[in-house]
Amino acid sequence: QQQVKQSPQSLIVQKGGISIINCAYENTAFDYFPWYQQFPGKGPALLIAIRPDVSEKKEGRFTISFNKSAKQFSLHIMDSQPGDSATYFCAASYLAGNQFYFGTGTSLTVIP
Amino acid sequence: EAQVTQNPRYLITVTGKKLTVTCSQNMNHEYMSWYRQDPGLGLRQIYYSMNVEVTDKGDVPEGYKVSRKEKRNFPLILESPSPNQTSLYFCASSFPGAYNEQFFGPGTRLTVL
Repeated sequence: QQQVKQSPQSLIVQKGGISIINCAYENTAFDYFPWYQQFPGKGPALLIAIRPDVSEKKEGRFTISFNKSAKQFSLHIMDSQPGDSATYFCAASYLAGNQFYFGTGTSLTVIP
Repeated sequence: EAQVTQNPRYLITVTGKKLTVTCSQNMNHEYMSWYRQDPGLGLRQIYYSMNVEVTDKGDVPEGYKVSRKEKRNFPLILESPSPNQTSLYFCASSFPGAYNEQFFGPGTRLTVL
């Protein structure tokens, strides 16, 4: 059973537009929700993360929105740039542990 | 330079031939993990370790072994590889704590014929 469900599988956005990727989780015991960015041929790298005690976290053009009651969280990329073209993974974990559940990934293409 | 290294980066082998993929980190991290990445399935955790001599099964541990005898090293062992273990493998390490950022290695592309 997929612990974290991610959509869409792929996304094409015009430069300057907003990219939105959605994730949903089942286990209410999760208390740490990171997003990772992966470029072709590279390992994933942490982009931004949130804990469930806040509803939103913003870092530059990247924002996580978190809805605890719906068990959903999303990544918003404002003013999307061609350099943002990458695969994005959401994940859920327990802060006290090292067990991670990743979504299936979203391939983002930003068209100039 | 702080980094996670994996070796080999590419490996083609045959069914049943034991192999080891090494992982080493120079950041003094307590936590280490192994993942496999497959198209349409994302990243799935194979095994993780929270300290020396402390390892635990992740989501997909069947067919794999690990050991953590030293803090910096976390090798992944495939005792009898099968074609369904053809995948891209990543090692990761992190400190325990507030935002538990995992640092990933560059990946190992494994093909089992």
